[in-house]
Amino acid sequence: NAGVTQTPKFRILKIGQSMTLQCTQDMNHNYMYWYRQDPGMGLKLIYYSVGAGITDKGEVPNGYNVSRSTTEDFPLRLELAAPSQTSVYFCASSLRGSNTEAFFGQGTRLTVV
Amino acid sequence: AQTVTQSQPEMSVQEAETVTLSCTYDTSESNYYLFWYKQPPSRQMILVIRQEAYKQQNATENRFSVNFQKAAKSFSLKISDSQLGDTAMYFCAFMRPFTRETSGSRLTFGEGTQLTVNP
Repeated sequence: NAGVTQTPKFRILKIGQSMTLQCTQDMNHNYMYWYRQDPGMGLKLIYYSVGAGITDKGEVPNGYNVSRSTTEDFPLRLELAAPSQTSVYFCASSLRGSNTEAFFGQGTRLTVV
Repeated sequence: AQTVTQSQPEMSVQEAETVTLSCTYDTSESNYYLFWYKQPPSRQMILVIRQEAYKQQNATENRFSVNFQKAAKSFSLKISDSQLGDTAMYFCAFMRPFTRETSGSRLTFGEGTQLTVNP
C-alpha cells in the first residue's frame, strides 16, 4: 500500500533557487495538506486543499504556492528559496477532514544554503 | 483561531511504568476532534488515538488512553506499561469539523513532547 508518497526525501537548495515538492496519494482522499516542521517544533500548516481545483492558505503560506489539478496530486512550489525555508516538509491527506485519520508522507528534509 | 499547547517539551519514564502527557487547547467551537500523533526518529507521523468532542467517554487504544476534560479544554494522553518503542515525539492535534462556513478542516498541532522510555 503506497499511501502518501513524497519526493524527494532530501534536498539542498541555494538561496534564490526554485523547486517543487511532490506529493501523491492513492487513497482517493479529498483533503490534502502541506505542513512544515522546524527543529524541535510542531507542524505548521502551509496550504491545504479540500478537493481538486480548490486550495486555501494555512498559517504560514508566504513563499509557497500549491496547485491541485487532480485528486491524487498536491505539489508544493518554492519560487525563491530562502534560509528561513529550511525545514522538514510533510504532506498529508484525509478522507473527509473531520474525525478521520490524516495519513502522512515520510517528509522531505530541505536545506537552503 | 484554534491553538494547541503542550507544556512539557521533554519527559522520561522507566520501562513498564505509566506516563501522562498534557495538552490543552483553545477554541470557541462546540464540536471538534482531538488526536494524539506519535513521531519516532523515522519521522513518520503515526496516529495513536482520537477523541470526538461530543463523546463524553474517554477513548482507549490498548495501552493508550486519554483524559478528555471538555470544560477545561484539556486532552491528556496516558501511556501504561511503557515500552522502549514508545520513545518518540508526541503531538497533540485539534481539528474543527467541516462546515460551509469554515470551508475546510484544519489540523492544528501542538509543539510536541519528546518522550524517552528508559530501560
